[in-house]
Amino acid sequence: AQSVTQLGSHVSVSEGALVLLRCNYSSSVPPYLFWYVQYPNQGLQLLLKYTSAATLVKGINGFEAEFKKSETSFHLTKPSAHMSDAAEYFCAVSDQAGFQKLVFGTGTRLLVSP
Amino acid sequence: NAGVMQNPRHLVRRRGQEARLRCSPMKGHSHVYWYRQLPEEGLKFMVYLQKENIIDESGMPKERFSAEFPKEGPSILRIQQVVRGDSAAYFCASSPSQGRTNTEAFFGQGTRLTVV
Repeated sequence: AQSVTQLGSHVSVSEGALVLLRCNYSSSVPPYLFWYVQYPNQGLQLLLKYTSAATLVKGINGFEAEFKKSETSFHLTKPSAHMSDAAEYFCAVSDQAGFQKLVFGTGTRLLVSP
Repeated sequence: NAGVMQNPRHLVRRRGQEARLRCSPMKGHSHVYWYRQLPEEGLKFMVYLQKENIIDESGMPKERFSAEFPKEGPSILRIQQVVRGDSAAYFCASSPSQGRTNTEAFFGQGTRLTVV
């Protein structure tokens, strides 16, 4: 069975500071990993995905994530936070390249202060 | 190209009533997935459908919940005899195909069901 653990239900940063959102996964097969962002009362938007190509994945809005098999991690980073980054972020894992059945973490709410 | 459309956005039902949630996938998409998000939790997979077929319903509660995706029209998630614990946000996602690395599932804005 697959699972995802997101450390920290809330992360607070100042505008311009580094953003680091943690995600660790458990999977018995090579995983496919995703980060989604959810703005209030909105659906989920795909930020980036890892599908066994490059281990450093660049996504939209300046976000990137690095797949580290030895650490079973897929942490999300952004060098400089912007106020508009305030949202809920979800890490998800799948055992297939297609998006059939995602297992989501519980989410991390990112708060950005001026 | 309109995105995934879900309606209604908000739905209030009394205990014991039925709730019908609709999802129109993006144009050209034949795969639909339903997820449920309970308060303060991540999304949980419920069911995966293709046109006229249920492919995977391993996340569906055994009773009161059903889903369909007819040849014509939207996908419907139906909850009979709702209880307070059914209160959640229900999200639908659609994709054009499966098993390809460049496939992306697009999510709708969700239906927020409140059972009173």
